Amino acid sequence: GAGVSQSPSNKVTEKGKDVELRCDPISGHTALYWYRQSLGQGLEFLIYFQGNSAPDKSGLPSDRFSAERTGGSVSTLTIQRTQQEDSAVYLCASRDSPSSTDTQYFGPGTRLTVL
Amino acid sequence: SQQGEEDPQALSIQEGENATMNCSYKTSINNLQWYRQNSGRGLVHLILIRSNEREKHSGRLRVTLDTSKKSSSLLITASRAADTASYFCATAVAGGTSYGKLTFGQGTILTVHP
Repeated sequence: GAGVSQSPSNKVTEKGKDVELRCDPISGHTALYWYRQSLGQGLEFLIYFQGNSAPDKSGLPSDRFSAERTGGSVSTLTIQRTQQEDSAVYLCASRDSPSSTDTQYFGPGTRLTVL
Repeated sequence: SQQGEEDPQALSIQEGENATMNCSYKTSINNLQWYRQNSGRGLVHLILIRSNEREKHSGRLRVTLDTSKKSSSLLITASRAADTASYFCATAVAGGTSYGKLTFGQGTILTVHP
């Protein structure tokens, strides 16, 4: 079946502009995660959605970052007033159940470059 | 912050040799997972070992977990050039409201020469 998809695969933007990154999880997966991978910080958790529960936003680095998940499926990560330090690969993952022992399936990522 | 630390940071071997990567972590965990990443993009899940397991095998992969030392190792036997990639360990912490979110190590870059 189809895996996790993300769009765009690459995004180049100017400092100060807003960007939206999209994630389509595996159909039926109730849990969705956003991670960020950058040279200085490695792989970091950003936000987690589980069903209709309030999202865990504990990993968002600033209030310029927000995310939503509509209809329990597609998720959008929005970065407002982008800064150069936001340049990174943004990875989305989905998981089948609330159990923390289950595998997370990752998408190919969106490479964001802020000039 | 990164919970896991991996060593070595880089490993270069010849095809056919075994590759061993180590991972250490700091807090109590529910499970530990190993992922592979090619060319800095999507992560591919390799294997998951639960906190009550000590060893697990999958094909050419062997993972061990020592919760008393808070460490894990990944062994790739009879390596191939196609195994060239970055390898990450990731932990899902026990308890709280973690909901299975993963904390990653810094990764080991493995290069297998043909």
